Amino acid sequence: AQSVTQLGSHVSVSEGALVLLRCNYSSSVPPYLFWYVQYPNQGLQLLLKYTTGATLVKGINGFEAEFKKSETSFHLTKPSAHMSDAAEYFCAVSDRLRNQFYFGTGTSLTVIP
Amino acid sequence: DTAVSQTPKYLVTQMGNDKSIKCEQNLGHDTMYWYKQDSKKFLKIMFSYNNKELIINETVPNRFSPKSPDKAHLNLHINSLELGDSAVYFCASSPNQQLQAFFGQGTRLTVV
Repeated sequence: AQSVTQLGSHVSVSEGALVLLRCNYSSSVPPYLFWYVQYPNQGLQLLLKYTTGATLVKGINGFEAEFKKSETSFHLTKPSAHMSDAAEYFCAVSDRLRNQFYFGTGTSLTVIP
Repeated sequence: DTAVSQTPKYLVTQMGNDKSIKCEQNLGHDTMYWYKQDSKKFLKIMFSYNNKELIINETVPNRFSPKSPDKAHLNLHINSLELGDSAVYFCASSPNQQLQAFFGQGTRLTVV
């Protein structure tokens, strides 16, 4: 069975500081992994994804994530936070056996000026 | 052009009513989904359709019935609405069940 755990339901960082949002997964097969962002009153927008190949994945808005199989992790980072990064972030894993997505419980990012 | 569009965006209704939410995608995707997002932002899949065929039907009350008239549309009908049905409902589509999903803007349902 697949599952996704996001550590920290709320993360606060200062503007210009490093953003680190944690995601761990469990999967019985090599996973496809995703990060989505949800701005207030909007739908989910794909930030980046890992399917195969290079384990360091770059996404939109300066975000990147690294797939670490040994740690079953797919943490999201950004070197310097902007006020516009304040949003809800969701990690997701694709269950390739059952053909569906599993979402984490989300992490709310606050950026302090 | 909006890729995945849902209507209405907001829906306020009384308990016991029946309502529908419509979803259309113009991406040519084979798979469409309905998700429910509760007040704590938790996302739970409700249904998944692939080429008009129901693939996933998670444990939701049978008051919820999806209908897919064609590959580009997946509507959600809800009978006898209850207070606990209040949530944001998202429609999504993907090229297949394994690649990323594209989400609509959501429908905020409030049952009073």
